[in-house]
Amino acid sequence: DTAVSQTPKYLVTQMGNDKSIKCEQNLGHDTMYWYKQDSKKFLKIMFSYNNKELIINETVPNRFSPKSPDKAHLNLHINSLELGDSAVYFCASSSRTGEGTGELFFGEGSRLTVL
Amino acid sequence: QKEVEQNSGPLSVPEGAIASLNCTYSDRGSQSFFWYRQYSGKSPELIMSIYSNGDKEDGRFTAQLNKASQYVSLLIRDSQPSDSATYLCAAYGGATNKLIFGTGTLLAVQP
Repeated sequence: DTAVSQTPKYLVTQMGNDKSIKCEQNLGHDTMYWYKQDSKKFLKIMFSYNNKELIINETVPNRFSPKSPDKAHLNLHINSLELGDSAVYFCASSSRTGEGTGELFFGEGSRLTVL
Repeated sequence: QKEVEQNSGPLSVPEGAIASLNCTYSDRGSQSFFWYRQYSGKSPELIMSIYSNGDKEDGRFTAQLNKASQYVSLLIRDSQPSDSATYLCAAYGGATNKLIFGTGTLLAVQP
């Protein structure tokens, strides 16, 4: 059983389109994240939800809108895609708080290519 | 100055040698530190976490933390070709209260 699963794994789309990525975790964790990894491998947090509540919202363009219908699911919708949005988007989850907050379980990633 | 800095490598070591990966961080308030391994085309996987000064050992891996020098390292003993991957250092806490990743060090273990 996959612990953190994302769909789709690959997206290829044109500039200006809208796309969504879905994430589900079956670990019973309270906190879920979206990270973006660019071509230079830099992994940057975008959003974090704790039990459906948004707790981290980085300076991400408002074209990006996360949604957490329940604590096991976190989706990411992107409007009006731009070339610079091309990256791998990782969903992650964690059960830890305090100093253990950095112990994350990552999904397999969704590679977005904007043409 | 980057918040978490790593040498991008590649760091090339022969099979059986000790690989030493280093990381420095700028936020003195950072509380906890993590090493993730990422194989090419795969997702990051947590391999070590360390919260207090000193060494922490887990199998062939040893994490070392020196908060006074703001320095974290990962030693991999008896390196194997299967250890070839990018190793990401991350720091949590401090002013941002977020998990901040370095850009990773590419390790290549030569058979």
